[in-house]
Order: sequence, then structure tokens, then C-alpha cells
Amino acid sequence: GQQLNQSPQSMFIQEGEDVSMNCTSSSIFNTWLWYKQDPGEGPVLLIALYKAGELTSNGRLTAQFGITRKDSFLNISASIPSDVGIYFCAGRWGDDKIIFGKGTRLHILP
Amino acid sequence: DTGVSQNPRHKITKRGQNVTFRCDPISEHNRLYWYRQTLGQGPEFLTYFQNEAQLEKSRLLSDRFSAERPKGSFSTLEIQRTEQGDSAMYLCASSFASAAGELFFGEGSRLTVL
Repeated sequence: GQQLNQSPQSMFIQEGEDVSMNCTSSSIFNTWLWYKQDPGEGPVLLIALYKAGELTSNGRLTAQFGITRKDSFLNISASIPSDVGIYFCAGRWGDDKIIFGKGTRLHILP
Repeated sequence: DTGVSQNPRHKITKRGQNVTFRCDPISEHNRLYWYRQTLGQGPEFLTYFQNEAQLEKSRLLSDRFSAERPKGSFSTLEIQRTEQGDSAMYLCASSFASAAGELFFGEGSRLTVL
């Protein structure tokens, strides 16, 4: 079945640094999405991408839908403490099946 | 608060007992999803509804799991004869069918099976 490979699994960065994470699959997706989850809460949608090659920004976040439709990346510029959390990529295929990656855990060093 | 509401937030039960979780989606949304999340993993798809129709069930969903959305509004997820492996966070999400993938999640119901 479809699987999403998310990397890196975790990141330790200094405040102010830029962050880059990505998600790949051997399968083609119609939509790529990026979510953030804080402890004890459900994931929150950050960015949705609907077309191959699409590049979308949301504040300091930028994400791209890969040309092959099999990958996506998320960049965070000038990280701040509230960026700490788990970032999940998700892909939609078929009618409306949506699967999630295992997440990238972002830690910001004091 | 007009977000997705789930209850109970926490449930501790003994193995073999039945448990039921409830999800109240955003009222305008016609799609409702259930996911399961274990520690260190991403949300794992269980099932979803469009209005009251259950359109898809994961093959991972054993016969002990059943979900309903009787009037196309709230949904329940029941787990019969719970096992320790059922311990997880059960997440509900809703969306518009026209914006599939743009899921709005509740805070989850955490199940611990002793």
C-alpha cells in the first residue's frame, strides 16, 4: 500500500535557523499537505498543495508539490521557539484516502 | 467553540471491556474521519464517512471496531473486547468533501487498556 517516507525523523536547531524537511513516496498523490502537532493536541493544517510543481507559502513556511507528484518539502525560515513540535506530511490519493508520514520532530536548542 | 470535539479525552479500561468514543465535527463539514495514533507514529487511517455513509474502512480495522454516523452529524467509534494493543490516541477529523485533505482534527481520545 501507499507509504510516505518522511525525513529527517528529528532535528535539533538553534533559534533563528532555517529548517528543511521532506516527504517521499513511490506512489503518486493528488494532494500533498503539511500538518503540525503539538503535545496533547490533534494535528493542525499548515499548507495544502494541489498541483504538481506548486510552491505555496504561509508566513515563514514554504512548501512545494514535487513535479513527479511523489514528493514534497517544507521549509521554515528563521525558526522561533513556537515552531517546536512534530511536522507531518500527508498525501491524498484515489477518492479521498489520506495517509500520513511518521513525522519530523523539531527541537530548538536554547 | 466550533471546532471538532471529542470525548472522553481519556479512557482507561481493562482488557476485554468495550469502549465508545464520540466525535462532534464542525457542523458544516460533510466528511468525518477516524484515525489512530500511537507513540512516535503518524495518524493511521481507520475509516471515513461522507454524511451518514461509511465510504472506506482500513483493512487494519478488525471486526472488533465499528463506527457509525447515524444522522450525518456526530460519530461514534466503538471498540469491543479491548486488547492492550488497542491503546492509542484516537483522532477524529472533519472536512468539506470539496476540500478533501484539509482535515480539522479534534484533540483526540486517549485509550489505555490495562
